[in-house]
Formats: sequence, C-alpha cells, structure tokens
Amino acid sequence: DQQVKQNSPSLSVQEGRISILNCDYTNSMFDYFLWYKKYPAEGPTFLISISSIKDKNEDGRFTVFLNKSAKHLSLHIVPSQPGDSAVYFCAASGLGSARQLTFGSGTQLTVLP
Amino acid sequence: SAVISQKPSRDICQRGTSLTIQCQVDSQVTMMFWYRQQPGQSLTLIATANQGSEATYESGFVIDKFPISRPNLTFSTLTVSNMSPEDSSIYLCSVTKGYEQYFGPGTRLTVT
Repeated sequence: DQQVKQNSPSLSVQEGRISILNCDYTNSMFDYFLWYKKYPAEGPTFLISISSIKDKNEDGRFTVFLNKSAKHLSLHIVPSQPGDSAVYFCAASGLGSARQLTFGSGTQLTVLP
Repeated sequence: SAVISQKPSRDICQRGTSLTIQCQVDSQVTMMFWYRQQPGQSLTLIATANQGSEATYESGFVIDKFPISRPNLTFSTLTVSNMSPEDSSIYLCSVTKGYEQYFGPGTRLTVT
C-alpha cells in the first residue's frame, strides 16, 4: 500500500507560468514533508520542506502548501523555467526514529520554452 | 547541507558476481541510508546504517544480499551480492542533517 502518492506521472507547463505538483499521503503519523528534484543520472536534490505544524513554506520561486485535514501537499513553482524540467518527488518522514523517508512515485515536469 | 560522493558512478556486472559501492560524506553524520531506484520506479529504502551497530534492513531486503559496513561517521559501503538482472538499479546513499536528507549522485548498476 503506497503511503505517499503522486497521481500525476507527468505535467507540462509553459515557461513563465505556474507549475503545481501534487502529493497525497495516507499516514497521519507523518510529521515532515520534503520535495526533491531529480535529473537523469544524478541523485535527488533537496528543494524545500515543511513541518506538519505549518501550512505554507516559501523559498524563492518555490512554495509548498500543506493541508493536513486533506492529507495533501503541493509544490508551486512560479515562474516556471525550462531548467526546472526534471522529475519531482515528494517524501514524508516521521514513522521511525531514524526519520526514514517514504517517497512518492514522482512527477515528470516539462517546462516548454 | 552535505556533500556526498559515491564510487563507482556506474558499472556493468555479470550475473552471480558482487559489487561494493562506497559512500563518502564531507562531515560526520550519525545516520546513513541506502536507497534503490529501479528503472521507472520511485526510491525505496534498503537499510539504515548507524555507526557502531548493525544496519537495520527494510522489509524485502536482507543482510546476506545487501551487506553494509559503517566503519566510521563519514563512510559506508553497500555490497550487492550474487547479482541478477533484477538488481539493475540506481543505488543511492543519503545522510540526515536536521530534518532534511541529502543524497549522493548514485551508482548506476547494470547486471547482464
């Protein structure tokens, strides 16, 4: 049973517009959420995170929103740039003392020039 | 953050052989993690390596197949033993800094 789900395997957005990537989770014990960007042949790069005590965290062009009641989080990228084209993974932690991450299946974002 | 390097970056191996992947971190960390990303799949945690104790393996992964060493606070190795084509994956190590986890560049393994 997938505890972290990204239901959109792909998303295409025009350069300059907003990209919205979505993620749902099922386990209410998760207390920290992270977004990673991954290019082919590279490891995931940490982008932004949010604690369960917050509902929004912003860092430059990236904003993460958390809706605990809906067990839903989203990553907003604005304005989108062609260099943002990559696979985006959401991840959650809080189930183990080592704070292991549980990953979603990823969304391939393509930003069209 | 943390700077993490892995060796080798990629390898092609024959069925039945073993490969040891090295992970080096630029600072001392308590926890190191090993993940696998099979083609077209998400990242799956293999095990957690704590310095000075046995690694903790996730369901579906066993020490005989994926032995791990953690000799000090900046280094770890993962061995993929008796390989089969199903082991073809990207293997990634990661470390925790605060609540965030940082990843190495990965080792792309192809088993023929």
